[in-house]
Amino acid sequence: DAGVIQSPRHEVTEMGQEVTLRCKPISGHDYLFWYRQTMMRGLELLIYFNNNVPIDDSGMPEDRFSAKMPNASFSTLKIQPSEPRDSAVYFCASILSGSSYNEQFFGPGTRLTVL
Amino acid sequence: QQQVKQSPQSLIVQKGGISIINCAYENTAFDYFPWYQQFPGKGPALLIAIRPDVSEKKEGRFTISFNKSAKQFSLHIMDSQPGDSATYFCAASGASGTYKYIFGTGTRLKVLA
Repeated sequence: DAGVIQSPRHEVTEMGQEVTLRCKPISGHDYLFWYRQTMMRGLELLIYFNNNVPIDDSGMPEDRFSAKMPNASFSTLKIQPSEPRDSAVYFCASILSGSSYNEQFFGPGTRLTVL
Repeated sequence: QQQVKQSPQSLIVQKGGISIINCAYENTAFDYFPWYQQFPGKGPALLIAIRPDVSEKKEGRFTISFNKSAKQFSLHIMDSQPGDSATYFCAASGASGTYKYIFGTGTRLKVLA
């Protein structure tokens, strides 16, 4: 398996622009998580899905952030409009529930820079 | 109750020494305690994990010690190597039957050659 795939790996945009981050979980995994990592705040859980349904979005910082999972193999995190304080590394992770270990598999991340 | 407190924030160890990172939790419903290792520019990856029914788990040079009554767990890296230099995160999971992780704030480890 190729693991969790994220695109793009790097994104540089200007304030006010729309940004869309993409994630392909490991095939067969039924949970998907979106995290944001910054030096100041560490790893923050933004939202997670179970079987494509959003379960907990309490970590989404504000209405400018939205996430969707239209099918089991694809999810997007959208920021509109983007602001410089959104600059961070965004990770996607997936897990197969019911396995012996509750291991979350992380993607390589998308480094977002908002100018 | 959902917090996981991790210390120290940073750690410098000589090659061959022992690195120790500590975490504490509050929610007794947690039933899975993983440690993740992250190298610069990479995503976190599972290093070792433990469930509360055992007090210690060892994998090679890495050991988790778990104290259920104190609600604390720690990662010990024996014979630390420069290649171990990374950021380490503890986490807790399983409360309310979810797979949601509560991560600690991370420890940046540097092992001097």
